[in-house]
Amino acid sequence: KAGVTQTPRYLIKTRGQQVTLSCSPISGHRSVSWYQQTPGQGLQFLFEYFSETQRNKGNFPGRFSGRQFSNSRSEMNVSTLELGDSALYLCASSLAGTSSEQFFGPGTRLTVL
Amino acid sequence: GEDVEQSLFLSVREGDSSVINCTYTDSSSTYLYWYKQEPGAGLQLLTYIFSNMDMKQDQRLTVLLNKKDKHLSLRIADTQTGDSAIYFCALSGGYQKVTFGTGTKLQVIP
Repeated sequence: KAGVTQTPRYLIKTRGQQVTLSCSPISGHRSVSWYQQTPGQGLQFLFEYFSETQRNKGNFPGRFSGRQFSNSRSEMNVSTLELGDSALYLCASSLAGTSSEQFFGPGTRLTVL
Repeated sequence: GEDVEQSLFLSVREGDSSVINCTYTDSSSTYLYWYKQEPGAGLQLLTYIFSNMDMKQDQRLTVLLNKKDKHLSLRIADTQTGDSAIYFCALSGGYQKVTFGTGTKLQVIP
């Protein structure tokens, strides 16, 4: 069974631009969560989608948004990029529900110049 | 919100046991996890424990949970150089909103 895939793996953008990251969950998984990892703040939860609905949200500004498609693939978008948005963005998928294990993708390394 | 703290660094000799500790503030967490992150890679789930358990053993890994002290630990027996990585504890109270600890970098000296 293929794991969680994220594209692109690396991305360089400039301040003010916007970016869209993609995550394909493990086949059959309906929940997708997004996390931001930085040296200073560690791993922080962004949001979680289940069956195309945002079920949970972390404490990030509205510039960070996401969506999930009917095939469970998910995208996250960051508008008006700031230098501080440079981070590793991790996506995790799980079957569903409170007892599910999350399986993480390799991440997208975003650098904002 | 939940605070989850870990010591930043641990160094052990190959063959010794490693113990990575984690303290947390919110006692309502239902699931407590340990993840491993190798350089340039995503997170790998190592093991997890339910809040109604005190201990879980999985091959070289032993997880201990002290709910009274809000303390979680991961013991790695016979630590190998391949165990060198950053280890995160994580807690979840429901759905998939998971709060991660600050991470402990384990260095295994040959």
